Order: sequence, then C-alpha cells, then structure tokens
Amino acid sequence: GAVVSQHPSRVICKSGTSVKIECRSLDFQATTMFWYRQFPKKSLMLMATSNEGSKATYEQGVEKDKFLINHASLTLSTLTVTSAHPEDSSFYICSAGSASYGYTFGSGTRLTVV
Amino acid sequence: KNEVEQSPQNLTAQEGEFITINCSYSVGISALHWLQQHPGGGIVSLFMLSSGKKKHGRLIATINIQEKHSSLHITASHPRDSAVYICAVWEAFGNEKLTFGTGTRLTIIP
Repeated sequence: GAVVSQHPSRVICKSGTSVKIECRSLDFQATTMFWYRQFPKKSLMLMATSNEGSKATYEQGVEKDKFLINHASLTLSTLTVTSAHPEDSSFYICSAGSASYGYTFGSGTRLTVV
Repeated sequence: KNEVEQSPQNLTAQEGEFITINCSYSVGISALHWLQQHPGGGIVSLFMLSSGKKKHGRLIATINIQEKHSSLHITASHPRDSAVYICAVWEAFGNEKLTFGTGTRLTIIP
C-alpha cells in the first residue's frame, strides 16, 4: 500500500531557530500533500495544502511566513517552522492522497520549542 | 462548515467486549474516513467508505448517508486496540479537505 514517510519524528529546538519537517511519498507520486497540526487533546486541524510546483494554499489564520511549505517534487513536501516559539510546540502530521483513493498519513513530528 | 461529532469521547472496556464508536456529521459528504491514532501520534487509516459497510479483520465500519451517521465496531476487543479513533469526512462537491471529529479514546483493559 501507499506509504508516507515523515521525518523527524521528534525535534527539540531553541526559541528563535527554524525547524524543517519532511514528508515523502515513498511509492507513489503526490501532486498534493496536506499539513495538519494537532494540539493536546484536540483534533487535527488542516494548516495548508501543499501543491507540487506551486504555492501552498494556507487555511485562514495560519501564518504563511511562519510556516513555510515547499513542494519541489512529486514525492517531497517540506514544512519549515521559522523563528520557532514555545507556542509553536505541537504535533505536526502530513498526508497525501485524494478523496478518490484515500489518504495515507505520515507518522507525525512532535516539535518542542524551548 | 461541516460539524463532525463523535461519541463517546472516552471509552473503557474489558478485553473481549464488543465496541461501538459513533460519528455524526452535519452536511453531505463524498466519503468518510476512520483513522486510528496511537499514543506516539502516528495515524493509520482504517477505512474509507461512502456507503454501506466494510470489514477488515475484527473491525467493521458502517455508514448511513441519509442519516449522516457512521459507526466503527470492534469485535473481541484486545488491549492492543487501545488508541484514539478519529472519523474524518470530505464534503460533497467541495474542496478536498478533511474535517475531523474530536476523536474517541478507547482503553481496553486485560
């Protein structure tokens, strides 16, 4: 079946630094990938839709300059949290697929900003 | 905007019990997803369905499009089934965006 690899699984960074999270589709091409954020004991919230070769589509309230998304190839999307602050600490997860074929989720990245 | 509600929010049961988790949504959808999230956070897709019923091992998912309701059943529950179960829906004729329920935390006691 379809596999989505997300890296790193955990990262701790200092406030003010930037962190890059990678999401790769291993055995299929994904023109669209999705980035979600999950707060403790809360449901997943869509942050942005990553489109291969074009700009990402951000959800209302998500800062584009804070959460940089790059989808340079059909198998790789990256989310960079810039100038991270403690309030950015969260669980970030990506997915790829479609409503027709279903979604596959990455294993998630737990970001802790200290 | 679609509202997705799950019940119960928390469920504790003895090993072997039959488990039912419910999901209701407010607007028409094209498909519904049942997801399983383990303590580490990783998410596994269990089912995607748009009508009727699907079965995989001890898991059964049903959906009633007219009533805007889906259920996830687990037969002969086992401690390894302990996880958070999330339903997610795509709106019909809308963007390909999932709306997630808040999840049901299931704990199976040996």
